Amino acid sequence: EAGVTQFPSHSVIEKGQTVTLRCDPISGHDNLYWYRRVMGKEIKFLLHFVKESKQDESGMPNNRFLAERTGGTYSTLKVQPAELEDSGVYFCASSYTSGKGNEQFFGPGTRLTVL
Amino acid sequence: AQSVTQLGSHVSVSEGALVLLRCNYSSSVPPYLFWYVQYPNQGLQLLLKYTTGATLVKGINGFEAEFKKSETSFHLTKPSAHMSDAAEYFCAVSGPNAGKSTFGDGTTLTVKP
Repeated sequence: EAGVTQFPSHSVIEKGQTVTLRCDPISGHDNLYWYRRVMGKEIKFLLHFVKESKQDESGMPNNRFLAERTGGTYSTLKVQPAELEDSGVYFCASSYTSGKGNEQFFGPGTRLTVL
Repeated sequence: AQSVTQLGSHVSVSEGALVLLRCNYSSSVPPYLFWYVQYPNQGLQLLLKYTTGATLVKGINGFEAEFKKSETSFHLTKPSAHMSDAAEYFCAVSGPNAGKSTFGDGTTLTVKP
């Protein structure tokens, strides 16, 4: 079974540009999460989809970030325009709502560098 | 509200020595607790989790952790460190539904030969 995949693995852009990150969750997982780790600090929650609906977007830093999950499958996270402080590693995770504990499966992350 | 504190951003042990990585949490609801490991250039891999039931949880690669409610702790241990255990370890807490996880800052484990 394929794991969570993320594309690209690395992205280097200039301040003011736009970047779109993609996450493909494990097939059949209804929950999809985005997290971010900045400057070696803690991994911070950004938002949570249940199927195609945003269940919790309390961690989104500002309106420069837009996440979508059309059709309840893959998700994209767009940053427009990018700022220096957006640099970091963006992780995607997915899980299946089983009622037996929320084991989230993580992708390898996308390392975003904003110059 | 939930939070996680990992004591010690860097821990160094000798090969064969005991590994102890500390994690304290706070949670307003019964917590689900997790330890993840991240090897270089890879995603986070679940080591073990506590949901309900037995408070001593065994995970992969010989790791285990004990949930102590009175101490709000979930420390990770391994009796004998291997070189391959060198990685970054994250403790996380979530609620009893499919909501977000809250992570600690991570602890980098170095294993000396």
